[in-house]
Amino acid sequence: AQSVTQLDSQVPVFEEAPVELRCNYSSSVSVYLFWYVQYPNQGLQLLLKYLSGSTLVKGINGFEAEFNKSQTSFHLRKPSVHISDTAEYFCAVRRRSGGYQKVTFGTGTKLQVIP
Amino acid sequence: EAQVTQNPRYLITVTGKKLTVTCSQNMNHEYMSWYRQDPGLGLRQIYYSMNVEVTDKGDVPEGYKVSRKEKRNFPLILESPSPNQTSLYFCASSLNRGENNSPLHFGNGTRLTVT
Repeated sequence: AQSVTQLDSQVPVFEEAPVELRCNYSSSVSVYLFWYVQYPNQGLQLLLKYLSGSTLVKGINGFEAEFNKSQTSFHLRKPSVHISDTAEYFCAVRRRSGGYQKVTFGTGTKLQVIP
Repeated sequence: EAQVTQNPRYLITVTGKKLTVTCSQNMNHEYMSWYRQDPGLGLRQIYYSMNVEVTDKGDVPEGYKVSRKEKRNFPLILESPSPNQTSLYFCASSLNRGENNSPLHFGNGTRLTVT
């Protein structure tokens, strides 16, 4: 079985400050990793994904994440946040092989950008 | 425009009154899934479908039914809704190439209240 832990349920940060949203996962096999963003009153949309290759992945809206296999982490970062980044962010994992594999989501982190 | 469309966006009903939430996608995706989102619990999978006429239970299927008679549609049926099914529901779809690396595309959600 796999699991995803997002320890921070809420993260307040001032506008133009950097932010890091933490994600740790547990899996006995290799996984694909995703970050999704949910803006108020909307569905989730893909922010970025790690499939293979470079461990630093760049996504939309200036976000990036780094895959760390030894620490089983996939933290999301942005060097300077904007008010429009206020949203809930979900980390997700999916096993790479073995036929159909479900997506497992973390419990989400609400990013509140303070003007 | 590629999208997943859910209807209705908001629904208030009473205990025991059968209801259906519709989901349609225009991306020719094989895979479709239903999730419920509850505070502090993230997204939990209710049912999923690998293709037409192929459906299977997710993590929390009790009290729900689905059908997949056409590739584009995947309705969620609550035969006898109860208050514990009050939640925010999301439909999602993706390609199913057997590699598990395709991201999910989400609808905008249906907020259901059962009184």
